[in-house]
Amino acid sequence: EIVMTQSPATLSVSPGERATLSCRASQSVANNLAWYQQKPGQAPRLLIYGTSTRATGIPARFSGSGSGTEFTLTISSLQSEDFAVYYCQQYNDWPPLTFGGGTKVEIK
Amino acid sequence: EVQLVESGGGLVQPGGSLRLSCEASGFTFSSYWMHWVRQAPGKGLVWVSRISGDGGDTRYADSVKSRFTISRDNAKNTLYLEMSSLRDEDTAVYFCARVKTDISGNYYVGYDYWGQGTLVTVSS
Repeated sequence: EIVMTQSPATLSVSPGERATLSCRASQSVANNLAWYQQKPGQAPRLLIYGTSTRATGIPARFSGSGSGTEFTLTISSLQSEDFAVYYCQQYNDWPPLTFGGGTKVEIK
Repeated sequence: EVQLVESGGGLVQPGGSLRLSCEASGFTFSSYWMHWVRQAPGKGLVWVSRISGDGGDTRYADSVKSRFTISRDNAKNTLYLEMSSLRDEDTAVYFCARVKTDISGNYYVGYDYWGQGTLVTVSS
């Protein structure tokens, strides 16, 4: 099973600032990586798939990069609605599909 | 509009059983792989099971294998998760999710629609 590790666990950012979230895989997942956003009491929402392709309706301030075992989600200028928990997920070698433990982006 | 609506959650004793349902609308249900994903209170997301569009291909996480059964009724546009021998650690919100595939239609790239989730609590 591929283990996904996200860092940091919590990221404190001021509105308008840039946020950089990291995700590491225990072995190469090529570019088969997705990112999700989850707000309290809601289902997750797909942001990015294929490492860098934005899902339908996702603003351009969200971008993904990386390959192999190291990946990054960048939010270029945080808006109030972006404060949430973010999960990465690998789909290179599954089942099982595996998620990272999440990064909570909170208001500084 | 695509909608996924789960139901069937509730309080059950350890060792008990429960059947979750996920009613789909707004798309051709039989054309999509569907999954169940769960989230324990305050914890992260964990993949549980998947099923092909025709129901003939199913897989499970090791933690639920032989205890949970995924199925679907395409005539009723409904996905199911039959859970038995429930344990405390099965306590979670259970989400059904629709699979998004790549341009070829063959490979998973993410979940593009999720239900709102249904809470299963296993406790005596």
